[in-house]
Amino acid sequence: QSVLTQPPSVSGAPGQRVTISCTGSSSNIGAGFDVHWYQKIPGTAPKLLIYGNTNRPSGVPDRFSGSKSGTSASLAIAGLQAEDEADYYCQSYDSSLSGVFGGGTKLTVL
Amino acid sequence: QVQLVQSGAAVKKPGASVKVSCKVSVDTFNTYDISWVRQAPGQGLEYMGWISPYNGITNYAQKFQGRVTMTTDTSTSTFYMEVKSLRSDDTAVYYCARRNTQWLFNDYWGQGTLVTVSS
Repeated sequence: QSVLTQPPSVSGAPGQRVTISCTGSSSNIGAGFDVHWYQKIPGTAPKLLIYGNTNRPSGVPDRFSGSKSGTSASLAIAGLQAEDEADYYCQSYDSSLSGVFGGGTKLTVL
Repeated sequence: QVQLVQSGAAVKKPGASVKVSCKVSVDTFNTYDISWVRQAPGQGLEYMGWISPYNGITNYAQKFQGRVTMTTDTSTSTFYMEVKSLRSDDTAVYYCARRNTQWLFNDYWGQGTLVTVSS
């Protein structure tokens, strides 16, 4: 079981908007640690999508957005495209400063 | 262009050790931490720990404490991650990643190193 909880899967049609939740606790997200989001395509290294809860690195489309509230965070993907089909992971830290990941969410573009 | 270059795939027997390397530029070595993350077949990402090369601070996930050691070689700007007492469930792709010291995100990743543990 992962420290951060994500839904195993989400799906949406091209052009639609989907959200992926990431639920933690008072020991990690709720303690004030930032949440970062990564996209993982099989056979390739993870790619940073969102850092510091809401910030997009250069080159990441503005279709991707993040938010955080209390002990949870969310990743939203608007205007779904076929190329968005991948696994998505949230990541934060716990009170011992160890990194923790969510279990991952598989996004299927219908 | 930021590059993290990892060592090649390895096949090990149960009980053996493996040491994965991650070579970075001098600028990266002097400015960033390095995280180590693994992904077992069909499983999610697992954060193993991180190391700060300038002060030698390491942080290991509780699961790996006592079995994993992260080190650096300043002369070659290379990071190392050693796993001892390998088991079959250590079979995974191991990644190093550059960790921003302010925001603590991992922005650039190595290509991954497949470690297979099999008798």
